[in-house]
Amino acid sequence: QSVLTQPPSVSGAPGQRVIISCTGSSSNIGAGYNVHWYQQLPGTAPKLLISANTNRPSGVPDRFSGSKSGTSASLAITGLQSEDEADYYCQSYDSSLSAWVFGGGTKLTVL
Amino acid sequence: QEQLQESGPGLVKPSETLSLTCTVSGGSITNHYWSWIRQPPGKGLEWIGYIYYTGSTNYNPSLKSRVTISADTSKNQFSLNLRSVTAADTAVYYCARETNNWLDPWGQGTLVTVSS
Repeated sequence: QSVLTQPPSVSGAPGQRVIISCTGSSSNIGAGYNVHWYQQLPGTAPKLLISANTNRPSGVPDRFSGSKSGTSASLAITGLQSEDEADYYCQSYDSSLSAWVFGGGTKLTVL
Repeated sequence: QEQLQESGPGLVKPSETLSLTCTVSGGSITNHYWSWIRQPPGKGLEWIGYIYYTGSTNYNPSLKSRVTISADTSKNQFSLNLRSVTAADTAVYYCARETNNWLDPWGQGTLVTVSS
């Protein structure tokens, strides 16, 4: 299993708000390392969605937001749209493993 | 915006070496870190390692004994060699630029299948 734990799936109706969690430990998120989020649309490469916990790169809608607290981080998506259907991954650094680590990924379904 | 493109064989035999190259266009590989990441079919992402343009490297400990990443600044490319591959190494392999520990942009990825 992954060092960073994400729910395998979440779902919501168009217009609703969903939250995807990313739970780590004292050797990664809890140690103060930043969390980054990626969106992977079907059949495509991952794309940076949120950098350094809360920052949206240019071109990312403000419907996407990130937060971090303690040993966890979260990605919130408001005003769900059908084009948001994708897999979402969190990423951080783990000092015990001396490696960049990803969460297992969360599949978002827009009902 | 820089663009990255992976290239290399799509089929590698077990026990042989997987070799991929990432060509960077629209920018220089100097002054940046460059990473390789892989994704087995239907599974999640795994960081393989990174290289700084000067040649300094850092590898995932789980793969360290089999991995070498190198860079060629004259060709604006960096490469991945993964030795002694098995079916478990079958994956889509991505290259990406690392900036302040996040990965952006990514290449489109290339599927490498390990099979005899």
